[in-house]
This record gives sequence, C-alpha cells and structure tokens, in this order.
Amino acid sequence: SAVISQKPSRDICQRGTSLTIQCQVDSQVTMMFWYRQQPGQSLTLIATANQGSEATYESGFVIDKFPISRPNLTFSTLTVSNMSPEDSSIYLCSVEGTGVYEQYFGPGTRLTVT
Amino acid sequence: GDSVTQMEGPVTLSEEAFLTINCTYTATGYPSLFWYVQYPGEGLQLLLKATKADDKGSNKGFEATYRKETTSFHLEKGSVQVSDSAVYFCALGSSNTGKLIFGQGTTLQVKP
Repeated sequence: SAVISQKPSRDICQRGTSLTIQCQVDSQVTMMFWYRQQPGQSLTLIATANQGSEATYESGFVIDKFPISRPNLTFSTLTVSNMSPEDSSIYLCSVEGTGVYEQYFGPGTRLTVT
Repeated sequence: GDSVTQMEGPVTLSEEAFLTINCTYTATGYPSLFWYVQYPGEGLQLLLKATKADDKGSNKGFEATYRKETTSFHLEKGSVQVSDSAVYFCALGSSNTGKLIFGQGTTLQVKP
C-alpha cells in the first residue's frame, strides 16, 4: 500500500485566516481525495483531485473556500480559506488503492479554529 | 442513493470477548465493501475488504462476509484485545459514483 504523509499534523488558527495542508504520497497516483471529519463524525468527501485537471467538488463544498492544487502525481494541497470555528475538523487526504474503489489514507491534519 | 448504516456505539467489551459490529448497506449495482479502523489520533487504515457476494475478508483476526441476501457486512473478531480499541468504519465503494461512502463509525473500547 502507498505511504502517505500530511503536513501539518495539527494546527490552531485564528478565524479569518487560511491554512494550506500538504499531502505527499510515495508513489505516483492518478486520483487523490480530500475528506473532512468533523468531531465525532464520519468522513465527508470534499473533492477529488486528478493531476492535470481541475478538482471536482462535492455538493456543499466550493473552490473559493477549499482551493486544491495537484501539480504532479505525488502531491496535492488543500487550502481552508477564511476559516471559522465551524471549520475545526480533521482533514484527510487519500489516494486510490490497488483494488476497485479502494483508498489509502494519510494520517490527517487536525485543525482547530479559534 | 447508496448508503451505509452501522450499529451505534460505543461498544464496550472485556478483553477476550467476542466482537460483532453490524453494518448494512443500500446500493444499486455491484459495490465493494470495506472496513477501516481509526486508532486514536491517527488516520484511517484499511482493515479488510470484499469485492463480491459471499467473499470473506479477513485481517488481524477480524473477518467480515459480504452477504448480498441480507445486504450486510458485519465485522467479527473472536477475542478482542485492549489494542483493538478504536473507531471502526464500514464503507461501500459505489459502482454508481466510483466513490467511497462511509458509515457513521462505531467506537470500540476494550477493557482489561
């Protein structure tokens, strides 16, 4: 399985600021995904990022709030813009696995907005 | 649309007890089914999977069987350990959307 790292692992930010989360994978992958996990909740897909094309956002998530970059096949960033306390969550990136619909997840970024 | 429902937690067991976490799904097409585990402070790890009806996935003493007739994928382990304490997520790989759909997660706490 792929080894995925995320930076930062956690951060505390003030409302109105922005944070960029990095996701690095140790092998080339076509599809990368960004999820949000609110406290005590399940995972919600934010967007799918394919290299060489614009990210595809899920209902309820917009590019102005969560811009995503995918400059190559091993790296992606998610920015959480103009943060509010409601953005306090764990943000996880994942990559496609070897099996159908299978995904491997990074360790997550724990964000607290004050 | 496709969905996954898990039993509510938390589930509290004594060490060496038998574990069952129920998971049922609704889907059209031919989904794949997964169990992921999230240990405290960590990301999700793929625990096991099954890609077609009657397949049994197994790993680390855990197992689950893809039951199409009951639309279920219950997670079982014969003897849990304190180190199994974690949140367990059932997930469906949707053939409709190509995406993973997660259940709400079940917290397992194993006491010595």
